[in-house]
Amino acid sequence: DAGITQSPRHKVTETGTPVTLRCHQTENHRYMYWYRQDPGHGLRLIHYSYGVKDTDKGEVSDGYSVSRSKTEDFLLTLESATSSQTSVYFCAISAAVGGTDTQYFGPGTRLTVL
Amino acid sequence: AQTVTQSQPEMSVQEAETVTLSCTYDTSESDYYLFWYKQPPSRQMILVIRQEAYKQQNATENRFSVNFQKAAKSFSLKISDSQLGDAAMYFCAYRSAAGTYKYIFGTGTRLKVLA
Repeated sequence: DAGITQSPRHKVTETGTPVTLRCHQTENHRYMYWYRQDPGHGLRLIHYSYGVKDTDKGEVSDGYSVSRSKTEDFLLTLESATSSQTSVYFCAISAAVGGTDTQYFGPGTRLTVL
Repeated sequence: AQTVTQSQPEMSVQEAETVTLSCTYDTSESDYYLFWYKQPPSRQMILVIRQEAYKQQNATENRFSVNFQKAAKSFSLKISDSQLGDAAMYFCAYRSAAGTYKYIFGTGTRLKVLA
């Protein structure tokens, strides 16, 4: 258990509304990630962070923004949610185990945009 | 850009039998890491096994082992003595050993275990 929590765990919202998902970790890991999981696509990277206020885009970043003002929190914002953003969102951290950095995941957030 | 391909969307195995899940990847790098993750119906992503590309010896974790063929860019997962609890989605993932800590995932293989 890498001490990763996500909130909310489930959310239903309407098209056009802003949505913020929160990822919280308790072990001061430097790297944090946001993925979305969709059938047939596996996990696709949205954004990631390599330190406080240091973030970069992944392969599916359009329509998403992130912020990291504290080591322990990584926020994902959908400025104006669309139905195509209905998905399961996973937060992850990268931690060194046995000398090799490995990703560990939060429990996921199921987001439905109506 | 690196890619990871899992060509088997779904596989089935009888309980207590052995099954092999395939993963191929494309990269021009010589140093990298490969991973297998399991996602049961609970949705939690669980690390199964990892392999460092510079190690020739295949990684093993109890009933799980890999067949890492670096020249062929192949990284298959073998599950021995399959159990009902092994039923899940399995994802293969790649990470470069240099540069950013970005992971690339395959599209997954759904494993069914038949009693």
